[in-house]
Amino acid sequence: KAGVTQTPRYLIKTRGQQVTLSCSPISGHRSVSWYQQTPGQGLQFLFEYFSETQRNKGNFPGRFSGRQFSNSRSEMNVSTLELGDSALYLCASSSIRDRGKNYGYTFGSGTRLTVV
Amino acid sequence: KNEVEQSPQNLTAQEGEFITINCSYSVGISALHWLQQHPGGGIVSLFMLSSGKKKHGRLIATINIQEKHSSLHITASHPRDSAVYICAVRDYQLIWGAGTKLIIKP
Repeated sequence: KAGVTQTPRYLIKTRGQQVTLSCSPISGHRSVSWYQQTPGQGLQFLFEYFSETQRNKGNFPGRFSGRQFSNSRSEMNVSTLELGDSALYLCASSSIRDRGKNYGYTFGSGTRLTVV
Repeated sequence: KNEVEQSPQNLTAQEGEFITINCSYSVGISALHWLQQHPGGGIVSLFMLSSGKKKHGRLIATINIQEKHSSLHITASHPRDSAVYICAVRDYQLIWGAGTKLIIKP
C-alpha cells in the first residue's frame, strides 16, 4: 500500500508569509498527527486529528493550525512565518488496527520549510 | 528534567558489535515507540511496546513498565544501521526523546 505522502518536500518562504503543508495518510488510516523537528528543540508534537476532529494539540502558538478532510487528508497552516519556524515538519498516520501490530505510526518523509 | 531521556546521545561502534540504546521516562504512558531516522529526515517506526519484549530481525526492544525503562538492542550491527534512533512515549500525544546518533564503522 502507498505510504504517507507529504507535499511539498521542500519550501522556502519569507518572514510574514503563510504556508500550507499537506499530508495524505495511508488508505484506511483515520488518524493524522503533525510534528515539528528542529535542531535545537528536537521533535515536538503539533496536533492530532481523527475523523476530521482535532483530538490533541501541542504547545504551539495560534499561528499554527490544521484541519482534516473527510478523506482523512490533513493540512497544516502556519501564518505570519518567523525565522524560527524553519524546520522539518513530519506527519504520521495510524489506525486502531495497526496499533496491535509491531508498529504504531507510519511517517511521511516530511516537508523541509526554510523561512528567510 | 526531560520527560524522556535517552542514552547515549552518540554511539560509534564497529561492524558486528552488539548495540544497546536506553530510554527512561518519567510519565505514565500507554505505549513506547522506537523509531529510526536516517539522514534526510525520513522516520521509520521500529517498535511499539506496552510490555515485555519484541523482536524484528536483528532488532530487539524491551520495556520494564515498573522501572519506566526501555532498551533497543541491535545484534550483529552493520553500517546500514547508522541512523538516529528515537524513543517516544505516548501519553495523549507522543513525547520524544532527543535521539541517539549511531554510527557503525565497517
